[in-house]
Amino acid sequence: NAGVTQTPKFQVLKTGQSMTLQCAQDMNHNSMYWYRQDPGMGLRLIYYSASEGTTDKGEVPNGYNVSRLNKREFSLRLESAAPSQTSVYFCASSEALWGSRNQPQHFGDGTRLSIL
Amino acid sequence: SQELEQSPQSLIVQEGKNLTINCTSSKTLYGLYWYKQKYGEGLIFLMMLQKGGEEKSHEKITAKLDEKKQQSSLHITASQPSHAGIYLCGAVYTGANSKLTFGKGITLSVRP
Repeated sequence: NAGVTQTPKFQVLKTGQSMTLQCAQDMNHNSMYWYRQDPGMGLRLIYYSASEGTTDKGEVPNGYNVSRLNKREFSLRLESAAPSQTSVYFCASSEALWGSRNQPQHFGDGTRLSIL
Repeated sequence: SQELEQSPQSLIVQEGKNLTINCTSSKTLYGLYWYKQKYGEGLIFLMMLQKGGEEKSHEKITAKLDEKKQQSSLHITASQPSHAGIYLCGAVYTGANSKLTFGKGITLSVRP
């Protein structure tokens, strides 16, 4: 059971380049999320999708776009990468929005992104 | 200001010792999640607390939520190297627009 799969695992970009981070879940979850994790800043929500066909901004959405392609897939796009976007990006999914006692958010292993 | 504070920031303990880490909210919680993250990996769910005074255990890890639902502690008994990692708490508050908010995490190292 794969759970939440993120690709790629590592990526190095130059400032101004664009790229898309892919995320897919095989648990038939309704809600999906993108977070970034930075030293001293903890885990911060970038965008989320409560259900297929909807997306909403989180705490730090500037510089990012998302697409909920279908129920399984939720992608994160950096249109013009900046050094401030160097981070570890995590995708997560849950049955109910934000998770619940018995069905919490499940996380992927992360994408480590460096922007030079 | 940070709604969710975790303490201490980091902790180093000798294998076999007990330890407690804390997560404090500035507002009353609807629910509190504990996750563990091994270095270079994703977050693994440990447990969720919702009721004031609730206590849950998983193997040698026990988490409690205080009666006022503003503070949670996580206690590890007889720590092992496998307990090392980053422990994050995540809070959900009441209200239609409440999102899951994470603390900054506590880094635990266990010396063999």
